[in-house]
Amino acid sequence: RKEVEQDPGPFNVPEGATVAFNCTYSNSASQSFFWYRQDCRKEPKLLMSVYSSGNEDGRFTAQLNRASQYISLLIRDSKLSDSATYLCVVTPPWRSGGYQKVTFGIGTKLQVIP
Amino acid sequence: EAQVTQNPRYLITVTGKKLTVTCSQNMNHEYMSWYRQDPGLGLRQIYYSMNVEVTDKGDVPEGYKVSRKEKRNFPLILESPSPNQTSLYFCASQVLYRVDQPQHFGDGTRLSIL
Repeated sequence: RKEVEQDPGPFNVPEGATVAFNCTYSNSASQSFFWYRQDCRKEPKLLMSVYSSGNEDGRFTAQLNRASQYISLLIRDSKLSDSATYLCVVTPPWRSGGYQKVTFGIGTKLQVIP
Repeated sequence: EAQVTQNPRYLITVTGKKLTVTCSQNMNHEYMSWYRQDPGLGLRQIYYSMNVEVTDKGDVPEGYKVSRKEKRNFPLILESPSPNQTSLYFCASQVLYRVDQPQHFGDGTRLSIL
């Protein structure tokens, strides 16, 4: 099983639609989780952190399900400008002097259609 | 402005000609990392560094070297580039031991090895 798995898509959705992506991870000790947005051939940019209690930022909602080991990203009222690739990022607990492996999902491509 | 700066942004070169991609961050981050991104493969870690003079291999280190002589700089060295190293490269930095802190990325370097 891969450390972090995402459906690469593409997800083609009409403007105004609600779309959700999931990302599963294999390390149950993983400590922190993020969603990044990456526009074509540009650097990934932080979209939002994912907290155990779930968190919302405008039209975006992120949730963590530790029991099933997945995180999700929900986008409501999709805009054309939301078209991008969404990467999930999973980080194990920091350990003093220890190996630190940040794992990126392959990314899910979203295309919002007029 | 807090940032990660990579240079060059674009480079076309020939097989076997040594090259260095520089990376510098101004956020006093301990952790720095190099990734390459290829279609269908997502971001793969090449090398990372937990602090000055502390570096280790990521998932795809073959053909690359790094050094961390100063906290702010983390150059990526290709001693004898080959065409299979043609890729989009990203440098990133992060605060250590803060699980709520994400990675910050440079703008990327597009390398073409002919």
